[in-house]
Amino acid sequence: DSGVTQTPKHLITATGQRVTLRCSPRSGDLSVYWYQQSLDQGLQFLIQYYNGEERAKGNILERFSAQQFPDLHSELNLSSLELGDSALYFCASSVGIVSTYEQYFGPGTRLTVT
Amino acid sequence: AQSVTQLDSQVPVFEEAPVELRCNYSSSVSVYLFWYVQYPNQGLQLLLKYLSGSTLVKGINGFEAEFNKSQTSFHLRKPSVHISDTAEYFCAVSSGDMEYGNKLVFGAGTILRVKS
Repeated sequence: DSGVTQTPKHLITATGQRVTLRCSPRSGDLSVYWYQQSLDQGLQFLIQYYNGEERAKGNILERFSAQQFPDLHSELNLSSLELGDSALYFCASSVGIVSTYEQYFGPGTRLTVT
Repeated sequence: AQSVTQLDSQVPVFEEAPVELRCNYSSSVSVYLFWYVQYPNQGLQLLLKYLSGSTLVKGINGFEAEFNKSQTSFHLRKPSVHISDTAEYFCAVSSGDMEYGNKLVFGAGTILRVKS
């Protein structure tokens, strides 16, 4: 158990819908990352927050957005869902923003868009 | 830009045999290197990391990796595998330069299948 929690574990929804994925980082970690794992794209970095502020952005679609709240939990919002958005979404957390800090991964949320 | 190439998509090996999973990276700045393991239906777990210093890095579960700057490689090895090592292994790179952030860039993964 990494200490990072993600809810829900599974999510099945239809095209065009909007969903919210939630992540609680390890106690004491200020940095939260979101990654997408799909069969065709592999593991890709989406976005990073540090202490409530956006820190880095990867290949995140405009239909996707995220935020980190004062209690440090984070939410990833996916809207106008398409079949291709079906993937495993991981949240990771680390103490700081320097690469020497290990990123701890949650168990993931499996999103299926039908 | 940084990239990671894992040269084998699948590696079958018999139990108690040695194994090497290959990883090459590309980066214009200094890097930190990582190996993660993903067991079925689970998240990623860090096996080992290279930040600086000794080029031979030891990790959990008997794994080790060697950083080779001239060959831009970071191959993962284990002298004797067990059935329980069956999993997918990911090599990742992160920039040592704060300007580029500390996101992880992953390779495509290598599935290690240990046979009895």
